[in-house]
Amino acid sequence: DQQVKQNSPSLSVQEGRISILNCDYTNSMFDYFLWYKKYPAEGPTFLISISSIKDKNEDGRFTVFLNKSAKHLSLHIVPSQPGDSAVYFCAASADFGNEKLTFGTGTRLTIIP
Amino acid sequence: DVKVTQSSRYLVKRTGEKVFLECVQDMDHENMFWYRQDPGLGLRLIYFSYDVKMKEKGDIPEGYSVSREKKERFSLILESASTNQTSMYLCASSLSTSDGNTEAFFGQGTRLTVV
Repeated sequence: DQQVKQNSPSLSVQEGRISILNCDYTNSMFDYFLWYKKYPAEGPTFLISISSIKDKNEDGRFTVFLNKSAKHLSLHIVPSQPGDSAVYFCAASADFGNEKLTFGTGTRLTIIP
Repeated sequence: DVKVTQSSRYLVKRTGEKVFLECVQDMDHENMFWYRQDPGLGLRLIYFSYDVKMKEKGDIPEGYSVSREKKERFSLILESASTNQTSMYLCASSLSTSDGNTEAFFGQGTRLTVV
């Protein structure tokens, strides 16, 4: 049972425009959410996170929005740059003191120059 | 900077071989993890460890075992490699926190092919 879902396997966006990546989760115990970026043949690198006590967190061009009632989060990248082309994974963790991360299936973002 | 190092970038092994994947982290993190990444399936947790000599099964532990004799090192063992274990293996580590909110740092991955 996939507890973290990324329903769009791929997304293409024009350079300079906004990229919006979506993620849904089913486990109501998840209270911390993260986005990772992965280039081919490399390990994932941490991008941005959000705690369930917030609904928005911003870091430069990256903003994560959390809608707890809908069990939905999204990552906005603006403006999109060619170097943003990668696979993006949404991840979540649950429970106090439990650092185990559950990942989604990933969305491949392609930025078109 | 946190560094998580996996011993091999690419490995080719034969069916039935015993395979060791090694991972070392240099930031004194308590938690270490082994994931595998497959197309369309994302990252799936195989095993994790919260402390030396402690291990817990993840979502897909069958066919794997782990060893954590030292805090900085976490080994994944394929007891008898099979072709369905061909995958990208990713090691990660993270710090324990009082609220559980922490990011994991990943190694560069090991692409294992079992023939």
